[in-house]
Amino acid sequence: KQEVTQIPAALSVPEGENLVLNCSFTDSAIYNLQWFRQDPGKGLTSLLLIQSSQREQTSGRLNASLDKSSGRSTLYIAASQPGDSATYLCAVHSVEYIFGTGTRLKVLA
Amino acid sequence: NAGVTQTPKFQVLKTGQSMTLQCAQDMNHNSMYWYRQDPGMGLRLIYYSASEGTTDKGEVPNGYNVSRLNKREFSLRLESAAPSQTSVYFCASSEALQGAWSAFFGQGTRLTVV
Repeated sequence: KQEVTQIPAALSVPEGENLVLNCSFTDSAIYNLQWFRQDPGKGLTSLLLIQSSQREQTSGRLNASLDKSSGRSTLYIAASQPGDSATYLCAVHSVEYIFGTGTRLKVLA
Repeated sequence: NAGVTQTPKFQVLKTGQSMTLQCAQDMNHNSMYWYRQDPGMGLRLIYYSASEGTTDKGEVPNGYNVSRLNKREFSLRLESAAPSQTSVYFCASSEALQGAWSAFFGQGTRLTVV
């Protein structure tokens, strides 16, 4: 059974810092891995999608990497801003989407 | 471009009442999902439908039923609501686009059972 873990559960950083969020999964037989952002009381917004054949994807200040063999993905956020404050969720897609419990990020001005 | 639409956005039920959460997507996706989100638990899959006419149980199906009415609509029914079903419910749909699967989510239904 696929299990997805995200570390850390919460993170507080000063504005401008570069930071890394971690996601690990137990079964490497996945179609893809997707990173989402969730603002309080809102739905999920897709940030980056990495197909199983890819190693990384970039969008603006965000870079996500995937190492299927070790069951790990990282989301790198460069030059963090207060507007980046949100919960970040990773999800792996095999038969269905399985989510981690998220990392709650707070960027302090 | 509505994407995935859920109704209602908020609902309060008394224990034992029944209700149906509605979800519709306009992206012609085959796969649809229902999740619940609870503090500290992340999103847990209740049911999913890989295509019209098929449904499968997820991680936490007890107390729920689903109907894939057509390709667009996937409803979630609580026959006899319990306080343990107080949660935020998300519907999602997904499709493979140029070989890559991507999931799209509705804005959620916040359900309180008293």
